[in-house]
Amino acid sequence: DAGITQSPRYKITETGRQVTLMCHQTWSHSYMFWYRQDLGHGLRLIYYSAAADITDKGEVPDGYVVSRSKTENFPLTLESATRSQTSVYFCASSGQISNQPQHFGDGTRLSIL
Amino acid sequence: GDSVTQMEGPVTLSEEAFLTINCTYTATGYPSLFWYVQYPGEGLQLLLKATKADDKGSNKGFEATYRKETTSFHLEKGSVQVSDSAVYFCALSDQAGTASKLTFGTGTRLQVTL
Repeated sequence: DAGITQSPRYKITETGRQVTLMCHQTWSHSYMFWYRQDLGHGLRLIYYSAAADITDKGEVPDGYVVSRSKTENFPLTLESATRSQTSVYFCASSGQISNQPQHFGDGTRLSIL
Repeated sequence: GDSVTQMEGPVTLSEEAFLTINCTYTATGYPSLFWYVQYPGEGLQLLLKATKADDKGSNKGFEATYRKETTSFHLEKGSVQVSDSAVYFCALSDQAGTASKLTFGTGTRLQVTL
């Protein structure tokens, strides 16, 4: 089925470890986004991408790395995880026309011990 | 920068009660406004949107009107159901750039009881 899928759904890791969250969409949407959701903050944009090989920082990019070698994939890497990065991470995608709604994955709940 | 302010929750209502969730925004230019809903364990889903002043977005009995004069986009429903229990997010999109980045409010949890 078409859609946007995130993996894994749940992840527990330790501080200092590298962890990669995957996001895959089947709509061929140009734009993809990574958000983190924390109580009291709503969703905050980490990174976004307008097309393959084009990425840009959002509101809270520190400690994260992204890449987009293919239009359909947008992995998010925590190079050296910290406890403050414990959160629920959402990937989203949208079409090229400005202000099209974003479509969200079901999220990855990441716990860093 | 852009910002969205929502009323704090949780909001607890009895079934068939009237719902209002307040949302105000600060933005440069002319943003589009959205309401997203998040059911437990799921991602956000678009509920409704409005792209210019005085537009009314509506879906599943929910409505919101883009009020430029009061910079507001309050969500309303005349008769809520238990199945409406969820977290509701107000958001605006940045029209100034080429990417449709969204700025979200902190979310309002709605709990509807029988």
